[in-house]
Amino acid sequence: GESVGLHLPTLSVQEGDNSIINCAYSNSASDYFIWYKQESGKGPQFIIDIRSNMDKRQGQRVTVLLNKTVKHLSLQIAATQPGDSAVYFCAENRNTGKLIFGQGTTLQVKP
Amino acid sequence: NAGVMQNPRHLVRRRGQEARLRCSPMKGHSHVYWYRQLPEEGLKFMVYLQKENIIDESGMPKERFSAEFPKEGPSILRIQQVVRGDSAAYFCASSALREGASYEQYFGPGTRLTVT
Repeated sequence: GESVGLHLPTLSVQEGDNSIINCAYSNSASDYFIWYKQESGKGPQFIIDIRSNMDKRQGQRVTVLLNKTVKHLSLQIAATQPGDSAVYFCAENRNTGKLIFGQGTTLQVKP
Repeated sequence: NAGVMQNPRHLVRRRGQEARLRCSPMKGHSHVYWYRQLPEEGLKFMVYLQKENIIDESGMPKERFSAEFPKEGPSILRIQQVVRGDSAAYFCASSALREGASYEQYFGPGTRLTVT
């Protein structure tokens, strides 16, 4: 069945450290992956995306890595700040329009 | 440059009443998606619409739920005869889908439905 999962429900990091949030997906036909950040009481906010023909993409302080061999996706946040505290979701799109979301990882940043 | 707008932000309904949730996509976007989020869970796809067309409703419950995106006005998600299990946050997203372009979806702030 459809499945996009995250390895850990909660990640706690020290302010200034780098954060790595992982995601596993099950459908090798997926061609587009997105990371969203959701703060309490708000809608998901787009962070970064990557297509299946790439293995790495960088944004401002964020990097997404895609390993199609093991169907694994990760989000790296450099120099994590208190404002990065939120729930992070990976999502996949199979060229159909709809997004399949994982369960989410809560990132807690300790000052 | 307004983003995706949803209203109301909070909606309380008694069991058996109807709930109507509205979504105005971002300017220039003609594709709308509805998702439901239960507490402590990820978002679940419900329906994908273009103007006057339902493209994919594979995530919609077969009964009591309907969605539309008319030529003019916002998209509406309608839940008839609500039950307690309908209590959730309902998010709308929109995209400007073009041939060969990404499916980047921008989300609204959500409507939190509480059924008492």
